[in-house]
Amino acid sequence: GNSVTQMEGPVTLSEEAFLTINCTYTATGYPSLFWYVQYPGEGLQLLLKATKADDKGSNKGFEATYRKETTSFHLEKGSVQVSDSAVYFCALLSGGGADGLTFGKGTHLIIQP
Amino acid sequence: NAGVTQTPKFQVLKTGQSMTLQCAQDMNHEYMSWYRQDPGMGLRLIHYSVGAGITDQGEVPNGYNVSRSTTEDFPLRLLSAAPSQTSVYFCASSYFGGLNTGELFFGEGSRLTVL
Repeated sequence: GNSVTQMEGPVTLSEEAFLTINCTYTATGYPSLFWYVQYPGEGLQLLLKATKADDKGSNKGFEATYRKETTSFHLEKGSVQVSDSAVYFCALLSGGGADGLTFGKGTHLIIQP
Repeated sequence: NAGVTQTPKFQVLKTGQSMTLQCAQDMNHEYMSWYRQDPGMGLRLIHYSVGAGITDQGEVPNGYNVSRSTTEDFPLRLLSAAPSQTSVYFCASSYFGGLNTGELFFGEGSRLTVL
């Protein structure tokens, strides 16, 4: 079956540090890959996505590249801010999608000023 | 623009009690779903619906019922609450085009504690 593995954290960084959150996946076929973000007290919201190999998704300074050869979709940001403190979920979509996204366990990111 | 609205936001139940978590969306989305979020487990799909009158089971459906009588509403019923159902519940919706691209719109969550 499908699965997503990501570092759980918490990951604590200082403001302006470089961020990498690792995500690897197992899936049949050719899945689409996503990063969702959950700010404190809120629901999840889509951060970025990539639908095929070598695609790069980007949004709000975050980037992730779909690497089929390493089955990875690592999230990066060059300079984090306190406002980036949140839980980040890697997810995949395989097939028609009606039976939902497969989510990783989430990575809690804490940015200190 | 309300989006996906869940009520209540917080609820405490005793073991064996029943309750309904409400979910409504005003985006005319065909697809609606319920997830539960547990520490160290990520999000797991409970039930989903691809349109009014159609529902199906997700990964963890036991102990929950759903119905979809209208496009807007997708309530989740706990028939006899158990402590294992203590969790944060999220409702999410999408239009079919968005579903195929994985773009789900989430409510703010309902935190349920079963004593």
